Amino acid sequence: DQQVKQNSPSLSVQEGRISILNCDYTNSMFDYFLWYKKYPAEGPTFLISISSIKDKNEDGRFTVFLNKSAKHLSLHIVPSQPGDSAVYFCAATWGNTPLVFGKGTRLSVIA
Amino acid sequence: GAVVSQHPSRVICKSGTSVKIECRSLDFQATTMFWYRQFPKKSLMLMATSNEGSKATYEQGVEKDKFLINHASLTLSTLTVTSAHPEDSSFYICSARVGGAGTGELFFGEGSRLTVL
Repeated sequence: DQQVKQNSPSLSVQEGRISILNCDYTNSMFDYFLWYKKYPAEGPTFLISISSIKDKNEDGRFTVFLNKSAKHLSLHIVPSQPGDSAVYFCAATWGNTPLVFGKGTRLSVIA
Repeated sequence: GAVVSQHPSRVICKSGTSVKIECRSLDFQATTMFWYRQFPKKSLMLMATSNEGSKATYEQGVEKDKFLINHASLTLSTLTVTSAHPEDSSFYICSARVGGAGTGELFFGEGSRLTVL
């Protein structure tokens, strides 16, 4: 049973437009959520996170929104740039438990 | 930010041999490190939690005798794939948590691609 789901395996966006990556979770114990970016043959790099006490966290072009009632979070990238093309993983945790990752969404930003 | 380094980044070995992958935290001490495995087009699957000075905690379905984990110091954890077979070919990634419980943020190594012929 997948506790963290990223239902879109891929997404294509025009350069300069907004990219919206979605993530759903089922475990109500999760209280901390993270987004990681991964290039091929590299380890993931941390992008942005949000605690369950917030519903929005912004860092430059990246904003994460959390809707606890819907158990849904999303990552917005505005404006999208070609260098943003990568696989984005949503992850969740609570307490000191290991991160649980979604399957990832491959974002392609077209120039 | 915190840096986690993995070595080797790529390794090719013959079936039946053993391969060791090292994971080092370069600028912080990591009492806990995590080992993940990524299959093509799949999520990062947690294999085990490596605790300094004690036995690793393996996830269900991961063979502890197959994937030996040693966390001998606060900056080094190793994963040894014993008697490797082609189905062990994968991308192995280690990570370490910075900060206390609940922060959740992990820093990842560059990953090690293992190919077993």
